[in-house]
Amino acid sequence: GEQVEQLPSSLIVQEGASVLINCSYTDSASVYFPWYKQEPGKRLQFIIDIRSNMERKQNQRLTLLFDKKTKHLSLHITATQPGDSAIYFCSASTGNYKYVFGAGTRLKVIA
Amino acid sequence: NSKVIQTPRYLVKGQGQKAKMRCIPEKGHPVVFWYQQNKNNEFKFLINFQNQEVLQQIDMTEKRFSAECPSNSPCSLEIQSSEAGDSALYLCASRQGSQNTLYFGAGTRLSVL
Repeated sequence: GEQVEQLPSSLIVQEGASVLINCSYTDSASVYFPWYKQEPGKRLQFIIDIRSNMERKQNQRLTLLFDKKTKHLSLHITATQPGDSAIYFCSASTGNYKYVFGAGTRLKVIA
Repeated sequence: NSKVIQTPRYLVKGQGQKAKMRCIPEKGHPVVFWYQQNKNNEFKFLINFQNQEVLQQIDMTEKRFSAECPSNSPCSLEIQSSEAGDSALYLCASRQGSQNTLYFGAGTRLSVL
């Protein structure tokens, strides 16, 4: 079945740095890619998404890049803040009722 | 702006006991998903509904779990006979029929002793 892999599994950065989280998927039928942020004890929060007919999407300090050929996405977070510390999840959906999630990237931003 | 509400937040059960958790989807969201998130943060899809109808479910859900989304009542997920391996965070998510974005509740953390 569909697999979604995220790298790195964790990273620690200084406040103000930029980070890049990579995500790859296997099912070429996937057309929708939402990303979520999970802080300890809190709900998964939707942060940005992209569809397979787009290559780039930006939402404030978040930029999501999509390469359909290589089945690869990357989430770029600029000017990180301690409040960005969380686990970030990539997911892939074929557009009906199937969503597959990566195992997450744990980000820690040190003040 | 309603949110997905899951109760209880924490649930502790002994092996063999029933464990029941509830979910109120966002207002106007007819599609509901249940996922199990383990301690390694991996997600396992369990079951989904559109209105009151089951769309898809995995084998495990068919055999040991029961779930429903009755009209005008919270959705529920019940484990008939809890096992240690069921200890996990159970996440409910909902979405509009025509949109793709899932919105999640805060989860029910089940510990089976």
